[in-house]
Amino acid sequence: DVKVTQSSRYLVKRTGEKVFLECVQDMDHENMFWYRQDPGLGLRLIYFSYDVKMKEKGDIPEGYSVSREKKERFSLILESASTNQTSMYLCASSSSPGTGEKLFFGSGTQLSVL
Amino acid sequence: QKEVEQDPGPLSVPEGAIVSLNCTYSNSAFQYFMWYRQYSRKGPELLMYTYSSGNKEDGRFTAQVDKSSKYISLFIRDSQPSDSATYLCAMTRTTGNQFYFGTGTSLTVIP
Repeated sequence: DVKVTQSSRYLVKRTGEKVFLECVQDMDHENMFWYRQDPGLGLRLIYFSYDVKMKEKGDIPEGYSVSREKKERFSLILESASTNQTSMYLCASSSSPGTGEKLFFGSGTQLSVL
Repeated sequence: QKEVEQDPGPLSVPEGAIVSLNCTYSNSAFQYFMWYRQYSRKGPELLMYTYSSGNKEDGRFTAQVDKSSKYISLFIRDSQPSDSATYLCAMTRTTGNQFYFGTGTSLTVIP
């Protein structure tokens, strides 16, 4: 089974702190994604990456950056955390288009910014 | 208009009932269709995966895709309290890297 591992289940940070969320997948997937999930708004794509060192903005990239130095690892960075970034953050991975797309999620990181 | 529409519910049924969950979509290029189950404060878990039109069955779960109507369904037979969760539909094209999600339907199965 595909395993997508997020480093933290719960995080509490202060406004203005730099926050790193780490994600690792073990299926050699090309594509990795960061979403945030908020009640009533569903899943919203922050960034995705289709290859090492490649990234594309999603629907809500403002206030976030990402890093993909190795194929299996995709990091989300909040440069200066704000209270409106309190949310559930979900990492996901999938194989290349045309190869039977299935998207697999990690268990999520519930981030609270105080 | 959203690419994927899903009734948020909440839906509450007695144990043993048949549950029907649905999504509609607007983009005829979608070819891959997924259903996820998400328990409270957990990540979504892939439940069913279908390519193009037709039915797929896995135990108590059946996924249906009707591409002519741009409509997908998930049926749960003999529902159990452990099925209480939020169910998300998702879909994607053959080309491109993005997935499109419904907002999720909250289901409660009452013992």
